Amino acid sequence: DIVMTQSPDSLAVSLGERATINCKSSQSVLYSSNNKNYLAWYQQRPGQPPKLLIYWASTRESGVPDRFSGSGSGTDFTLTITSLRAEDVAIYFCQQYYRIPYTFGQGTRLEIK
Amino acid sequence: EVQLVESGGGLVQPGGSLRLSCAASGFIFSNYWMNWVRQAPGKGLEWVANIKPDVSEIEYADSVKGRFTISRDNAKNSLYLQMNSLRGDDTGVYYCARSYTSRALFEYWGHGTLVTVSS
Repeated sequence: DIVMTQSPDSLAVSLGERATINCKSSQSVLYSSNNKNYLAWYQQRPGQPPKLLIYWASTRESGVPDRFSGSGSGTDFTLTITSLRAEDVAIYFCQQYYRIPYTFGQGTRLEIK
Repeated sequence: EVQLVESGGGLVQPGGSLRLSCAASGFIFSNYWMNWVRQAPGKGLEWVANIKPDVSEIEYADSVKGRFTISRDNAKNSLYLQMNSLRGDDTGVYYCARSYTSRALFEYWGHGTLVTVSS
């Protein structure tokens, strides 16, 4: 199985500042045939289901603010949230959809400082 | 408006069975891969199973293989999960989620139904 490891487990950031969450996969999720990284980011607000933010490591889902961006390739990925807003308080998960079983990181809890 | 509404959760004893349903609306259900993903209380996310639009491909996580069966009825815009031989570690919220861009990229999620396995 591909193990997804996020860091940190939690972080507190001031309103208007930048939050950075990292995700590392135990194997590459870059598919050489199409040069795509099979890596997604989800946001789960309290009491809500997860919501897709980013896919192919850096493609923003329709309707997601451009404050959210994804980067990285192979085994190392980053989700960056700029100009943090109160509504960004949530748990963020990375997920690989490269190979079965499709696995998630353990989650990173983002709070306001 | 896209909607996925899960139902069928509840309290069941270890070894028991339960059938979950997911009613889809607001999109062409028969065009999408469909998935079940679960979340134990206060824990992370675990993909459970998925099914191709024409039912020609089905995949399961090892933790449920042989105990759970995913199915769909495109005429009824519905997804199902038959869960047998339930165990305590099957407890959690079960979400249905649709995929289009890639079979296990979960583009839209329902609000989930809670399954509790306990004596």
